[in-house]
Amino acid sequence: AQTVTQSQPEMSVQEAETVTLSCTYDTSESNYYLFWYKQPPSRQMILVIRQEAYKQQNATENRFSVNFQKAAKSFSLKISDSQLGDTAMYFCAFMKLGQGAQKLVFGQGTRLTINP
Amino acid sequence: EAQVTQNPRYLITVTGKKLTVTCSQNMNHEYMSWYRQDPGLGLRQIYYSMNVEVTDKGDVPEGYKVSRKEKRNFPLILESPSPNQTSLYFCASRKEGQPQHFGDGTRLSIL
Repeated sequence: AQTVTQSQPEMSVQEAETVTLSCTYDTSESNYYLFWYKQPPSRQMILVIRQEAYKQQNATENRFSVNFQKAAKSFSLKISDSQLGDTAMYFCAFMKLGQGAQKLVFGQGTRLTINP
Repeated sequence: EAQVTQNPRYLITVTGKKLTVTCSQNMNHEYMSWYRQDPGLGLRQIYYSMNVEVTDKGDVPEGYKVSRKEKRNFPLILESPSPNQTSLYFCASRKEGQPQHFGDGTRLSIL
């Protein structure tokens, strides 16, 4: 079974700083997706970024980028020039690819606070 | 607008009183899932469905039922709710190879 671990329950940075959230996972699969989801106080689950395991290039979406280390099974999220609106709970998630593979496995979450 | 709609958004009820949380998607997605979110545990899958009349258990199915009679709807049924089912529930849907679209969540409190 796959597991996802986020070792930082809470983080806090000043506005405009760069912050990195950690995520490690355990799997014997070779084909999978990794995701970062953001959950603001409104409770919505918002997809921030995704990475296909077969791609060596790290995904980037504007101020958000990942450091995907497949051999180390590590998938960290870097937020550059952090903004007050980035305050949220962030979840790392894993999804196996292939027939019948339908489950997102989530980490415990990291609560990120951006201070003015 | 493409969306996953859950109802109700909030519900407070008592132990043993059957309840249903509805979920509907308008994107013709094959796959639908239910998750529950608890502090310190992230989201865990309760049940999922790969298409009409095809459902299977996730990681925490005890105390829940689902059905998929139509492609767009995937209700979650608590036949005899108990306090340990107090949680935040999310319905999600997706197409093959695509990320999940989540509903806005249902906050259930079982007294």
